[in-house]
Amino acid sequence: EAQVTQNPRYLITVTGKKLTVTCSQNMNHEYMSWYRQDPGLGLRQIYYSMNVEVTDKGDVPEGYKVSRKEKRNFPLILESPSPNQTSLYFCASSFTGHDYEQYFGPGTRLTVT
Amino acid sequence: SQQGEEDPQALSIQEGENATMNCSYKTSINNLQWYRQNSGRGLVHLILIRSNEREKHSGRLRVTLDTSKKSSSLLITASRAADTASYFCAPLNNDMRFGAGTRLTVKP
Repeated sequence: EAQVTQNPRYLITVTGKKLTVTCSQNMNHEYMSWYRQDPGLGLRQIYYSMNVEVTDKGDVPEGYKVSRKEKRNFPLILESPSPNQTSLYFCASSFTGHDYEQYFGPGTRLTVT
Repeated sequence: SQQGEEDPQALSIQEGENATMNCSYKTSINNLQWYRQNSGRGLVHLILIRSNEREKHSGRLRVTLDTSKKSSSLLITASRAADTASYFCAPLNNDMRFGAGTRLTVKP
């Protein structure tokens, strides 16, 4: 089944404790991205990757890191999480760029205390 | 970059009625996409309309695009309770941005 998976789905952590949210897709998509969703603000793009070893900042990259060492994986790293990073996070992928539909993962609900 | 702005922010209708949601944007686009999100879940792609298209259908969905007015509309006909969700438009030129969405409630 074609899908985007994220882990974990739920995470409660404390300020400053490094964490990684994994994202994997099995559709051989070149393009992958991360979004955060907050009430009233819609989805905001954090980082995106057009292909392996190519990553770019989105609208809200501060406090986040990403890597794209393999085509199928695009982990999101929070080196020192803060409470303002409490949010619902989505990973998405598409065949190439934005000209194709994006497939979204199920989301990761992160709480930073 | 630009994002779509959906209107209204919230819409409540009875089952069987039609629902219309609008999207406005500011600059020229290559295409515009509509997505649905059930509460707390990932977005699901509904339809993509290219800048040279004016109307597109998919089942009970009808999307129009007016590039002169920089606007698009999504019509859901004969709505069902299962259509209850948030709907987002995403206009694309060099990148894609989502707005805050329209929250649709369909009452049984």
